[in-house]
Amino acid sequence: DTAVSQTPKYLVTQMGNDKSIKCEQNLGHDTMYWYKQDSKKFLKIMFSYNNKELIINETVPNRFSPKSPDKAHLNLHINSLELGDSAVYFCAVGDSNTGELFFGEGSRLTVL
Amino acid sequence: TQLLEQSPQFLSIQEGENLTVYCNSSSVFSSLQWYRQEPGEGPVLLVTVVTGGEVKKLKRLTFQFGDARKDSSLHITAAQPGDTGLYLCATRYNNNDMRFGAGTRLTVKP
Repeated sequence: DTAVSQTPKYLVTQMGNDKSIKCEQNLGHDTMYWYKQDSKKFLKIMFSYNNKELIINETVPNRFSPKSPDKAHLNLHINSLELGDSAVYFCAVGDSNTGELFFGEGSRLTVL
Repeated sequence: TQLLEQSPQFLSIQEGENLTVYCNSSSVFSSLQWYRQEPGEGPVLLVTVVTGGEVKKLKRLTFQFGDARKDSSLHITAAQPGDTGLYLCATRYNNNDMRFGAGTRLTVKP
């Protein structure tokens, strides 16, 4: 069983479309994150959820909307996709005891 | 200005060489983590350092936390091609906010 799984792994779409990325975890931890990794490999935090509640919302366009239907899931919906949204998006789960982050394999989004 | 500055940004060496990469900040941290990311995968935790001056070893990797808890280094002895990857340092900025440095991309050639 994969601890943190993201779908889809690859997503190619046109500018202006709306798309979603899903994340599921079976670790039982309360904190989940979305990170964006750009072409220069910089990993930038976007959102943090703790027990389904939004904790951190970095300077991210409001076209990005996270949704946590339950503690095991954190989805990312993106409206009106732009070229600059092309990146790898990582879901992560935080262990509040050790501070360790467990990452999914990433979802590579390409906007044409 | 980033919270964590990593250097060098890129490093390409031959198998068997030693190397050190750095993670620096002007802020003091309660702890600092090192992750390694391989192509097509998410970062994986290597170590967490919490005490100033602390040294931790993981096989050929040696991690050190600065005395003032503002910086850290990762030393690899006798690097192997399997060490190739992106090395990231990270720290807890606020309660749930984990921030990463820009990373060092290491390539070890056979």
